[in-house]
Amino acid sequence: EVVLTQSPATLSVSPGERATLSCRASQSVSSNLAWYQQKPGQAPRLLIYDASIRATGIPARFSGSGSGTEFTLTISSLQSEDFAVYHCQEYNNWPYTFGQGTKLEIK
Amino acid sequence: QLHLQESGPGLVQPSETLSLTCTVSGVSISSTHYYWGWIRQPPGKGLEWIGSMYYSGNTYYKPSLKSRVTISLDTSKNQFSLKVTSVTAADTAVYYCARQRVVPTPSTFDIWGQGTTVAVSS
Repeated sequence: EVVLTQSPATLSVSPGERATLSCRASQSVSSNLAWYQQKPGQAPRLLIYDASIRATGIPARFSGSGSGTEFTLTISSLQSEDFAVYHCQEYNNWPYTFGQGTKLEIK
Repeated sequence: QLHLQESGPGLVQPSETLSLTCTVSGVSISSTHYYWGWIRQPPGKGLEWIGSMYYSGNTYYKPSLKSRVTISLDTSKNQFSLKVTSVTAADTAVYYCARQRVVPTPSTFDIWGQGTTVAVSS
């Protein structure tokens, strides 16, 4: 089972600034990695798949990069609606796993 | 419109069986393009994939839960279900059903239900 470690656990950033979130896999998952956004009381929403492809309707300020074991989600120019918890998920091999999440909070 | 909705008891007694149903609208669960999965989130914690099932019956479960979990499809009702036996407090969580894309192998969860809270307590 692949273990995904997200860092930091909490990230404090001011609106308008850039946020960089990390997801590290315990073994290579190729580019089979996704990012989700989850707001309080809501289900997760798919943001990025195949490490760098934005899902339908996701703004261009969200970008993903990486392959193998190191992945990054970057949110340029943070908007108020972007403050949420972000989860990464690998789908290279069963059992598919999620990271523990990074909470992005307003500084 | 595409929509997934979980339903089931919000409270389950320890050692009993947790049973949830996901009703799908807007797409057939017999589609060859999707698996149908369950994910849970304990209070204050991250997401945990439980298992996923294909229309053909092909099913994958998280190994640590496999002995207690069953996922099934009811194509006549366009629903799929989750059963977890011998529950304990550790099974208390928000349970989500979700559609999993097959491109061409199972991948991301692109459509989610709103989630249902299940508490295990006497």
